[in-house]
Amino acid sequence: AQSVTQLDSHVSVSEGTPVLLRCNYSSSYSPSLFWYVQHPNKGLQLLLKYTSAATLVKGINGFEAEFKKSETSFHLTKPSAHMSDAAEYFCVVSLPDYGGATNKLIFGTGTLLAVQP
Amino acid sequence: EAQVTQNPRYLITVTGKKLTVTCSQNMNHEYMSWYRQDPGLGLRQIYYSMNVEVTDKGDVPEGYKVSRKEKRNFPLILESPSPNQTSLYFCASRRTSGIGEQYFGPGTRLTVT
Repeated sequence: AQSVTQLDSHVSVSEGTPVLLRCNYSSSYSPSLFWYVQHPNKGLQLLLKYTSAATLVKGINGFEAEFKKSETSFHLTKPSAHMSDAAEYFCVVSLPDYGGATNKLIFGTGTLLAVQP
Repeated sequence: EAQVTQNPRYLITVTGKKLTVTCSQNMNHEYMSWYRQDPGLGLRQIYYSMNVEVTDKGDVPEGYKVSRKEKRNFPLILESPSPNQTSLYFCASRRTSGIGEQYFGPGTRLTVT
């Protein structure tokens, strides 16, 4: 069965310090993985996606994530946090599209990132 | 501008009073989906539609109905809302082919008293 686990429900960092949001997945297939961000009172926005190309994926706003098959992980990082990064982040695994198979996203429970001045 | 729109954005209603939340996308996407978001649970899929007149249950379909008469619209219907359906609801769409991102609407915050 496919699943995704976000290891921290809350992460707090100081502005200018690195960000690490952890995500582990379980999938019978070669997974497609996504990180979405949700700012307060807003919808979800795609940060980045992994679809079996390069294992290091760069996204918007300076975020990147590395797919590690041996560790079944897809952690999100950013070298230097900004106040505007304060938001909730969701790691998502997608069932692959085998011509008509269910296109389903499975969401982690979210990590709330706080950025202290 | 490519977008998914939802209406209303906020709704307070009473138990048992039928309501519909509309969803519309302008990207000609085949696939549309409804999710509910609850604290500590992430997003859970309610219903999805692979194309016009093709809908199927997600993980938490009880108490909800959907229809897909047109490609662009995918309304969510609560025939008899109950307090446990108080939640934040998101509509999303994507192309069926490939592994494309889902585009999400801005959300509808529903309170059932």
